[in-house]
Amino acid sequence: QKEVEQNSGPLSVPEGAIASLNCTYSDRGSQSFFWYRQYSGKSPELIMSIYSNGDKEDGRFTAQLNKASQYVSLLIRDSQPSDSATYLCAVNGRGDDKIIFGKGTRLHILP
Amino acid sequence: DTAVSQTPKYLVTQMGNDKSIKCEQNLGHDTMYWYKQDSKKFLKIMFSYNNKELIINETVPNRFSPKSPDKAHLNLHINSLELGDSAVYFCASSQRFSRGYGVYGYTFGSGTRLTVV
Repeated sequence: QKEVEQNSGPLSVPEGAIASLNCTYSDRGSQSFFWYRQYSGKSPELIMSIYSNGDKEDGRFTAQLNKASQYVSLLIRDSQPSDSATYLCAVNGRGDDKIIFGKGTRLHILP
Repeated sequence: DTAVSQTPKYLVTQMGNDKSIKCEQNLGHDTMYWYKQDSKKFLKIMFSYNNKELIINETVPNRFSPKSPDKAHLNLHINSLELGDSAVYFCASSQRFSRGYGVYGYTFGSGTRLTVV
């Protein structure tokens, strides 16, 4: 059974600080990795995709992938109250037509 | 112009009833999905269609029957609704890789909150 693990939180971070969200996955053959943000009562929104080892930056967001350690992370710089949401890590395995989601980490940015 | 639209947004119904949820995408994607998000917010795949062909059918009661009349539409019909079916149902679409197997990130619809009483 392929699994994606995240700490459920809540993770509380002061406004302006760096929020660090972590995720591990069980399928070593996984090829695509995603971070989704979900506000309460809304649908998940794709914020980052990463396909190769290393860092990928987009504005205040940086995704980090380490396939050897089967580890994905998301850094949010200069955290804003509007970043308060649940962040879902998601993984697409090689040869797979579906994406498996973690249970999400609740992030709370303290004003 | 909504990319993935689902109707209805809310559905309240009695146990034993039959109901349908509709989904349409205008992104030109070739693959569509139904996911169920339970009260603990865990997203679990139910079905997937690629170009009208059923490609994923997870362990879901056969009271749930998906239908895809074309690659832009995916519907979900649920017979004999039970209390445990109460959840948010999300439709999503994506595009398969042009080479090999795999998919790009999904675009989700706004969800249908189903409450069975």
